[in-house]
Amino acid sequence: SQTIHQWPATLVQPVGSPLSLECTVEGTSNPNLYWYRQAAGRGLQLLFYSIGIDQISSEVPQNLSASRPQDRQFILSSKKLLLSDSGFYLCAWTRGTGNEQFFGPGTRLTVL
Amino acid sequence: KQEVTQIPAALSVPEGENLVLNCSFTDSAIYNLQWFRQDPGKGLTSLLLIQSSQREQTSGRLNASLDKSSGRSTLYIAASQPGDSATYLCAVKTSYDKVIFGPGTSLSVIP
Repeated sequence: SQTIHQWPATLVQPVGSPLSLECTVEGTSNPNLYWYRQAAGRGLQLLFYSIGIDQISSEVPQNLSASRPQDRQFILSSKKLLLSDSGFYLCAWTRGTGNEQFFGPGTRLTVL
Repeated sequence: KQEVTQIPAALSVPEGENLVLNCSFTDSAIYNLQWFRQDPGKGLTSLLLIQSSQREQTSGRLNASLDKSSGRSTLYIAASQPGDSATYLCAVKTSYDKVIFGPGTSLSVIP
């Protein structure tokens, strides 16, 4: 069976510090991978989408970036965090287009 | 531009009641529609996936319908239980790389 992992589970960072959130998927190959952010009182916002290694699409302009160094690894990064980066970050995967989307447990990021 | 709305924003029902959650989308050109539940501070759990060619899907006490022409989907929960309390989200996939979520309906089932 497939599983998706995210770490860390929670993170408190000062403004201006760097960020690295990791997502890995087990039990499948060549998944489509997604990063979402869920801010307090707001819906899920798609940040990045990847259909393969080093193939990343960005949905919204921001100070975040994403990388996919391996088939089942998706990393969300920032060089300098802003207060507005606080939120709940969710990684998800699907097996190709039109298929069911599965989510990881999320990372709660608080920027102070 | 695809927009997804959910009504009501919050719902409180006594245990045992049947209930309906609504999801509306503005562009009928969708690949599929998926219903999720989210418990506080947790990730999303997939409940049902309806492909664009399908009319409904059922899983246990849950039944989801899809009417593409009217841009609507409903999630029917039969015989609600306190454990059903959560936020329910619908999401439409509009192309191979775009998934648009609704704002969610917060459900509280009172014992």
